[in-house]
Amino acid sequence: RKEVEQDPGPFNVPEGATVAFNCTYSNSASQSFFWYRQDCRKEPKLLMSVYSSGNEDGRFTAQLNRASQYISLLIRDSKLSDSATYLCVVDSGAGSYQLTFGKGTKLSVIP
Amino acid sequence: EPEVTQTPSHQVTQMGQEVILRCVPISNHLYFYWYRQILGQKVEFLVSFYNNEISEKSEIFDDQFSVERPDGSNFTLKIRSTKLEDSAMYFCASLSQDFGEQYFGPGTRLTVT
Repeated sequence: RKEVEQDPGPFNVPEGATVAFNCTYSNSASQSFFWYRQDCRKEPKLLMSVYSSGNEDGRFTAQLNRASQYISLLIRDSKLSDSATYLCVVDSGAGSYQLTFGKGTKLSVIP
Repeated sequence: EPEVTQTPSHQVTQMGQEVILRCVPISNHLYFYWYRQILGQKVEFLVSFYNNEISEKSEIFDDQFSVERPDGSNFTLKIRSTKLEDSAMYFCASLSQDFGEQYFGPGTRLTVT
């Protein structure tokens, strides 16, 4: 069974804090990796793709370790607007673009 | 910015009734998906559709479910005889041929009573 595991949280952090989320995936054939953000009762929205070399987008940094099948997301200088559930997402590999989602980690940024 | 649209936003139906959930994917996209999310649980893949046929489906997508692209714009999910456990948020997604981001629609909340 292909699974994506995440710490469910919630993570309650003050504004300005740095917070890190971790994720592991079981399907070694996965080729594409993502972090999505989901606000309450809304659709998932792509936050960033994750590459083996690591990538950064403003305050967000994502890392991928294929050997240990581990993905991380670091958020620096947290804003109130970062409060959401962060979903770790991988594809099913072998040319399949079917996405497998983790259950998500809930983040609340507190004033 | 192009977007995926879904109708209705909320559908309430009685157990055993048929429902059709509608999606309009982004116009130049070629790959279409349905996912569902039961309240409090993770998003789960149901089915993918390409070139007017199903390309993959999960074990959730049993004989009660069907998908169709009846014209050049709509992509529908039909549930023939709804069960209480079909209550969930159903998301449509589409993907372009350069395999970039899957864009999700806002979802249809299905409530089966």
